[in-house]
Amino acid sequence: AQSVTQPDIHITVSEGASLELRCNYSYGATPYLFWYVQSPGQGLQLLLKYFSGDTLVQGIKGFEAEFKRSQSSFNLRKPSVHWSDAAEYFCAVVSTSGSARQLTFGSGTQLTVLP
Amino acid sequence: DTAVSQTPKYLVTQMGNDKSIKCEQNLGHDTMYWYKQDSKKFLKIMFSYNNKELIINETVPNRFSPKSPDKAHLNLHINSLELGDSAVYFCASSQAGRGQGNEQYFGPGTRLTVT
Repeated sequence: AQSVTQPDIHITVSEGASLELRCNYSYGATPYLFWYVQSPGQGLQLLLKYFSGDTLVQGIKGFEAEFKRSQSSFNLRKPSVHWSDAAEYFCAVVSTSGSARQLTFGSGTQLTVLP
Repeated sequence: DTAVSQTPKYLVTQMGNDKSIKCEQNLGHDTMYWYKQDSKKFLKIMFSYNNKELIINETVPNRFSPKSPDKAHLNLHINSLELGDSAVYFCASSQAGRGQGNEQYFGPGTRLTVT
């Protein structure tokens, strides 16, 4: 079965510092991968997605992620973090249940930004 | 022009009661989902409907009954509420069959508290 692991439960960075959130997936074929962000009390917003092609994908809010098949990873990065980036971040992979597709989420990484 | 909307946003009720949560999407998608997010922020799929047909039905107590009157609406009815049902419930939608994954758009969530 497809699965996603986010090894870091909580990360703290200073405003202006760079950020990398880790995501590892388990999937036999080429995965469809996503990063979502959830601000406090809010729903999930799609940051970026990878389906195929260029392994470095750009998203909203200055985020990017790199797909590395050899490492089964899809890490999220941002060169300079803003205080408004403090949120919960979820990596997800499309998985199949019979003939239906669904998203399997990682357990999330809580990002705290220090002033 | 909210894409995926849910009502109510907050729901506080007593054990044993029956309650419903409503979801509507105006994206023209043909697939809708219900997810449950527990207190540790873990997201798990509950149900999915495609063109009003139930296609995913994870291991969920049969006290939970989804209903999709049309492609744009997916409601969740919960009978005999229990303390363990307290969680945030998210509705999402996507367009299936495009062959490029399963990009889902989420509603703002309904925080259910059972006392």
